[in-house]
This record gives sequence, C-alpha cells and structure tokens, in this order.
Amino acid sequence: DSGVTQTPKHLITATGQRVTLRCSPRSGDLSVYWYQQSLDQGLQFLIQYYNGEERAKGNILERFSAQQFPDLHSELNLSSLELGDSALYFCASSATAGQGWMTEAFFGQGTRLTVV
Amino acid sequence: GENVEQHPSTLSVQEGDSAVIKCTYSDSASNYFPWYKQELGKGPQLIIDIRSNVGEKKDQRIAVTLNKTAKHFSLHITETQPEDSAVYFCAASIEGTGTALIFGKGTTLSVSS
Repeated sequence: DSGVTQTPKHLITATGQRVTLRCSPRSGDLSVYWYQQSLDQGLQFLIQYYNGEERAKGNILERFSAQQFPDLHSELNLSSLELGDSALYFCASSATAGQGWMTEAFFGQGTRLTVV
Repeated sequence: GENVEQHPSTLSVQEGDSAVIKCTYSDSASNYFPWYKQELGKGPQLIIDIRSNVGEKKDQRIAVTLNKTAKHFSLHITETQPEDSAVYFCAASIEGTGTALIFGKGTTLSVSS
C-alpha cells in the first residue's frame, strides 16, 4: 500500500458529461501529480500541485482542470467527456517540489474511467 | 519536447536468468531516474531510483546504472523469479517540478519457471 488513496476505483459515464476524481496524498506529502495512462499514449503527466498551488502542467487538455485543497487532497475534473478520454487516471504524491531536489513519488491504485 | 525511449517492449526469460531493460532520455536537465513496476490492475510501484550524481545503485537483485553523457540508464534484474513478471517503466524527471516524470512506454517482462 503506497499510502495514496484514489476514489472512485471505477467510473462509467456518457460522452459530454463531467466527472471528478479524488486523490488523498500520503501523510505529509505536499505535492500531488496527476497522470493519464492509455494503451496508445502510455503514462502521461497531466498536472502538478504543490501545497495548494499549481506548479507544473504537462499534456493536460483545456477540458480538464485540477485543484488542491487546504487539507492537501486533490481533485481532477474532466468535462465534455469524449470516448478518447477513457483511460486509467493516476494520482501520485511526493514530499517536496523544490527545484534541484527530487523525492520519491508514490502512486495510487488509479481510477478507471470508461466513457460510453 | 522531452522524451524517454525504452527497450525492449517485451522480454521473456527463464527463471534464474538475468533481465536488462534500457532507456534513453532527451532532456539533459533531467536529474532523477526512477523505475516502476506495474502489476495488472495496480498502480506503478517504485522499485529503485538513481540520481544524476551517482553512476550505479544496487538493491538486492535489482541494480540501475546511469550514463549521463550518453543519456542512458538501465535496469538489471538478476536471478529472476516468476513474481518479477510485470510491466516495468523507466522515467526521467521534468526540470523544476520536483518529481513530475516523463515515462517510457514500458517493458512487459515474463519470467517462466
């Protein structure tokens, strides 16, 4: 058990809908990262939050957004869903986000999103 | 943009043999290189990592080597066991982000007894 908790485990929704994925980081970790894993694109970095502030953006679509709350949990919001958004969405957390020093990132079990 | 290439995509070995997975990265600013193991239905699990100021690191049957000049890093698993069967991912850090990572496409390792 990595200590990173993601809910829900599975989500099935229709095209055009909006969903929210939730992540609770490991105790004490200030950074949260969101990744998308699909068969054709592999594991892709979407966005990072550190202590409530957006820190870095990867290949995140404009239809997607995220936030990190004062208790450090994070939510990833996916809107106007398309069939191609079906994927596994992972959250990871790490202790720091300081430039020049990396700490280990631990992944949750993921949320499997199916858009029908 | 930044890229990590990983080879081979599939690897089949007999129990007790060694397995080697190789990666190359494009961003010379990357300075942290973790390896993850992913089993079916689970999230990636960190198995070993190496930082740019180190050339080699070993943890029991697993070792990782890094050649910063050539931008290569490799995972070596010795005395493989059936429970080593999984998908293995290499990754490289994105500059200035802490531990945001660019991942390779993965290697499916099958260890037969």
